[in-house]
Amino acid sequence: DAMVIQNPRYQVTQFGKPVTLSCSQTLNHNVMYWYQQKSSQAPKLLFHYYDKDFNNEADTPDNFQSRRPNTSFCFLDIRSPGLGDAAMYLCATSRENRAKNIQYFGAGTRLSVL
Amino acid sequence: GQSLEQPSEVTAVEGAIVQINCTYQTSGFYGLSWYQQHDGGAPTFLSYNALDGLEETGRFSSFLSRSDSYGYLLLQELQMKDSASYFCAVRVIILTGGGNKLTFGTGTQLKVEL
Repeated sequence: DAMVIQNPRYQVTQFGKPVTLSCSQTLNHNVMYWYQQKSSQAPKLLFHYYDKDFNNEADTPDNFQSRRPNTSFCFLDIRSPGLGDAAMYLCATSRENRAKNIQYFGAGTRLSVL
Repeated sequence: GQSLEQPSEVTAVEGAIVQINCTYQTSGFYGLSWYQQHDGGAPTFLSYNALDGLEETGRFSSFLSRSDSYGYLLLQELQMKDSASYFCAVRVIILTGGGNKLTFGTGTQLKVEL
């Protein structure tokens, strides 16, 4: 029944060790987003895919990359995680051209960096 | 860029009515959304206003005044389960690449007491 699925729910990595977070969706939405959310803060958009077109936010560090091999899957790669990258990472999807642009969020992956 | 302001915390008793305000500054404004997020959970969509006025969805209503760059979320007949964080989010048009995106406000933590 789950519509936006993120794996894993919890991820522990070491300082500087690359890590990949995954997101899949069964909604067939054409837009997929990645957000970073730190404790007691708002979700901050890192980048999104509009179909196959990648849109990076101006202040997203180069350390963060993304891939979308097909409509259903999207990956967030952190090339060299620092302590400041410890956060909840949220994936969301939406169908463009819908009036309300409702975004459907996954449960998130909580990343710890040791 | 965009900026949104919300009160950081609101406390109310069960059965009461509470209003959470949101003021914003943005270019390319398309609409104002509201999301609810329980501790450790994913944001979930509550309401959306593209035009001035009130939108009602069950116990939740949302209001928008585009001329004042202001909106609010009204929660009626408060229940304990309404204790959560509430985020307003502006929907803005993406000038390059097309589509639109959300920028979230700072969030309001609502505590419902007996």
